[in-house]
Amino acid sequence: GENVGLHLPTLSVQEGDNSIINCAYSNSASDYFIWYKQESGKGPQFIIDIRSNMDKRQGQRVTVLLNKTVKHLSLQIAATQPGDSAVYFCAEINTGNQFYFGTGTSLTVIP
Amino acid sequence: DTGVSQDPRHKITKRGQNVTFRCDPISEHNRLYWYRQTLGQGPEFLTYFQNEAQLEKSRLLSDRFSAERPKGSFSTLEIQRTEQGDSAMYLCASSRTNTKNIQYFGAGTRLSVL
Repeated sequence: GENVGLHLPTLSVQEGDNSIINCAYSNSASDYFIWYKQESGKGPQFIIDIRSNMDKRQGQRVTVLLNKTVKHLSLQIAATQPGDSAVYFCAEINTGNQFYFGTGTSLTVIP
Repeated sequence: DTGVSQDPRHKITKRGQNVTFRCDPISEHNRLYWYRQTLGQGPEFLTYFQNEAQLEKSRLLSDRFSAERPKGSFSTLEIQRTEQGDSAMYLCASSRTNTKNIQYFGAGTRLSVL
């Protein structure tokens, strides 16, 4: 499959701090890059996406940055809350409509 | 609750047995996807349907796996002659055709092959 990987498997942050989760990808032809959040015992939940022709997109407390030069994607979470504790996956959609997910980063928010 | 339901939530079977899982997507979603997820890994794409047509199948999907969506609504995933390596979480997701980037996932069916 496509090579979508994450730099750090675990991340711990203090409640109220900002979190940054990074992801590297290899397929320059992907249409979309997406971030999903997965809590224990649940399926992944869509957070935010970015089209390949964009550099930045903001949502509620989250920002995704896409650097096509170095094939790098990041998710920034502002004012991290305990409810943000989960595993975060980056994913990409190729032109064949297949999703490729990375390994995941486990985010732990310390109260 | 995303609106995508999967049944059963857990399945324990003996090696060599056949198992079937069901997914009920969000009713207005044309697309339905199946994924497999093992511990610590991201979901792996298996196959997807556009209405009742199966349009893509991963090369990971062996001949023992078959999926159907006969009326373009619910879908079933069958695994024949299960092997221990089939033990995983099987996730279903659905989306609209024009928002394929936003998939809604069910909670999954956890399969344990003994």
